[in-house]
Amino acid sequence: AQSVSQHNHHVILSEAASLELGCNYSYGGTVNLFWYVQYPGQHLQLLLKYFSGDPLVKGIKGFEAEFIKSKFSFNLRKPSVQWSDTAEYFCAVIPYNFNKFYFGSGTKLNVKP
Amino acid sequence: DSGVTQTPKHLITATGQRVTLRCSPRSGDLSVYWYQQSLDQGLQFLIQYYNGEERAKGNILERFSAQQFPDLHSELNLSSLELGDSALYFCASSVLGGAAYNEQFFGPGTRLTVL
Repeated sequence: AQSVSQHNHHVILSEAASLELGCNYSYGGTVNLFWYVQYPGQHLQLLLKYFSGDPLVKGIKGFEAEFIKSKFSFNLRKPSVQWSDTAEYFCAVIPYNFNKFYFGSGTKLNVKP
Repeated sequence: DSGVTQTPKHLITATGQRVTLRCSPRSGDLSVYWYQQSLDQGLQFLIQYYNGEERAKGNILERFSAQQFPDLHSELNLSSLELGDSALYFCASSVLGGAAYNEQFFGPGTRLTVL
């Protein structure tokens, strides 16, 4: 079965620390990759997406992610987090041949001011 | 604001009851997706409709059903409700129906509480 793994369930950082959230998927074919963010009490919002081309993708609010095909990974990074980045982050994958969104279990990020 | 609207925002009901959740996609989007988000199961894809027809099915229970109407809004019907159905139900929409180059926009969700 297809799966998306986010190994960090809860991350606590201080402001200005660097962030890297891991995402691995199990599908071997062509995929579209996404990172969504869910701020407390709000709906999911798209941070960034990868369809094709440059594997280093830049998103909103200073976030970026790198697609490493050989590692089936799409890790999210931010050089310096802010208190306002406190949220839950979801990695999602659509395998071309399955036409279904597979979400990871989410990573809760808590940034201390 | 994603442009996807969902009603109601909150719903409290009793076990055994039936409820209907409504979703209006962004203008121009033909696909509607339904998701369930619960503490123990995370975000689970339930079902997708594209231009009125069922396109993909996920972990949707037989007690649940959905449809998409000619004006493209969608309804998710949950029946014989159980305590475990308490969750946040999200709707998302996209322009395309297939997987390639697809991007989904999420609504604010309906929080269902079953007592």
